[in-house]
Amino acid sequence: QLQLQESGPGLVKPSETLSLTCTVSSGSISSDGYFWGWIRQPPGKGLEWIGHIYHTGNTYNNPSLKSRVTLSVDTSKNQFSLDLTSVTAADSAVYYCARTDSDAYYLDSWGQGMLVAVSS
Amino acid sequence: DIQLTQSPSTLSASVGDKVTITCRASQTIDSWLAWYQQKPGKAPKVLIHRASNLARGVPSRFSGSGSGTEFTLTISSLQPEDFATYYCQQYSTYWTFGQGTKVEIK
Repeated sequence: QLQLQESGPGLVKPSETLSLTCTVSSGSISSDGYFWGWIRQPPGKGLEWIGHIYHTGNTYNNPSLKSRVTLSVDTSKNQFSLDLTSVTAADSAVYYCARTDSDAYYLDSWGQGMLVAVSS
Repeated sequence: DIQLTQSPSTLSASVGDKVTITCRASQTIDSWLAWYQQKPGKAPKVLIHRASNLARGVPSRFSGSGSGTEFTLTISSLQPEDFATYYCQQYSTYWTFGQGTKVEIK
């Protein structure tokens, strides 16, 4: 069964860059037919899509996050990553990585989530 | 941006009740809508995709309908494990989520 696991620092200082990695196991990140994405959820609030990346490197980002988001993929490690620059307290959230079926475009497998706090 | 508005925000119900949640899109999204269930401290789980397709392994008491701008998620007979928060999500243009509907015990 496909598994996704987020990793990275749980605490980031304001104005710095939040960097997270998602490791995919029991499945290949290079499989055709899937996108790999990031979603976040501030404590007690709803879900926000951050962006998706295909194994070829094509990306689709949330326009509201403008140019602060960079997604990358490392097929040799079966991992994909998120960099979010110039963070503020508003970026504090649980960050999920997830797989999207590219035919039906829904998020069919999720990581367990990782809480990242932005604080000095 | 396409906005999704769910109603109600909170719903109180009893085991065995039929429950309906509505999701309205700010513009047409055809049938590009999914429904997710989220329990506290857990990642969301897909229930329905393409507006009315039951995801693998999801009990048949869950159903989805609608197209265009109005969609519904129905739970035909609420079970104890169904008390959770439900989100709709569109993927017509980028991806956005509704604000969520919490189904709580009456």
